[in-house]
Amino acid sequence: DSGVTQTPKHLITATGQRVTLRCSPRSGDLSVYWYQQSLDQGLQFLIQYYNGEERAKGNILERFSAQQFPDLHSELNLSSLELGDSALYFCASSGGGRRASYNSPLHFGNGTRLTVT
Amino acid sequence: LAKTTQPISMDSYEGQEVNITCSHNNIATNDYITWYQQFPSQGPRFIIQGYKTKVTNEVASLFIPADRKSSTLSLPRVSLSDTAVYYCLVGDPRMDSSYKLIFGSGTRLLVRP
Repeated sequence: DSGVTQTPKHLITATGQRVTLRCSPRSGDLSVYWYQQSLDQGLQFLIQYYNGEERAKGNILERFSAQQFPDLHSELNLSSLELGDSALYFCASSGGGRRASYNSPLHFGNGTRLTVT
Repeated sequence: LAKTTQPISMDSYEGQEVNITCSHNNIATNDYITWYQQFPSQGPRFIIQGYKTKVTNEVASLFIPADRKSSTLSLPRVSLSDTAVYYCLVGDPRMDSSYKLIFGSGTRLLVRP
């Protein structure tokens, strides 16, 4: 158990809809990362937050947004959903942030499987 | 950000030692090398991290030559449950970006009975 909790585990919705994915990081971790993994594809980095602030952005679509709350949980919002958004969405956390220790690897949740029909 | 190159896939048999090599020719002085394992429909799991020479834990060993332009993940006596995708990442873990962001295509290891 990585200590990272993602909800829901599965989500089925229709095109054009909006969904929110939730992530609770490992206790004490300040950084949260979101990744997208389509079928048989690699992990695509979307966005990182550190202690409530956006830290880095990857190839995140304008239809997608995220935030990290004061209690450090994070939400990824996906809107105007398209069929191609169907994927596994992973959240990861780490303890480092700006001054990570050398032993601050990413800890991943088990993902939310989004199916857009 | 150091780019990494790994074999796309590898096959092995139960009980054998598996070595997966990762090339990172433009590794920077402060970069560390980290390996993750991913099973289908699960999030990646940290395996091992190192800077130079050799690191060993209960799961694997990581060999890093003096020039640090490559690294080898060694899995002793693999079992069927080691069938997974293995990712090599290179970067400075003290930085608050880039090191943790880019997962390459990984190496798909298939362990046969």
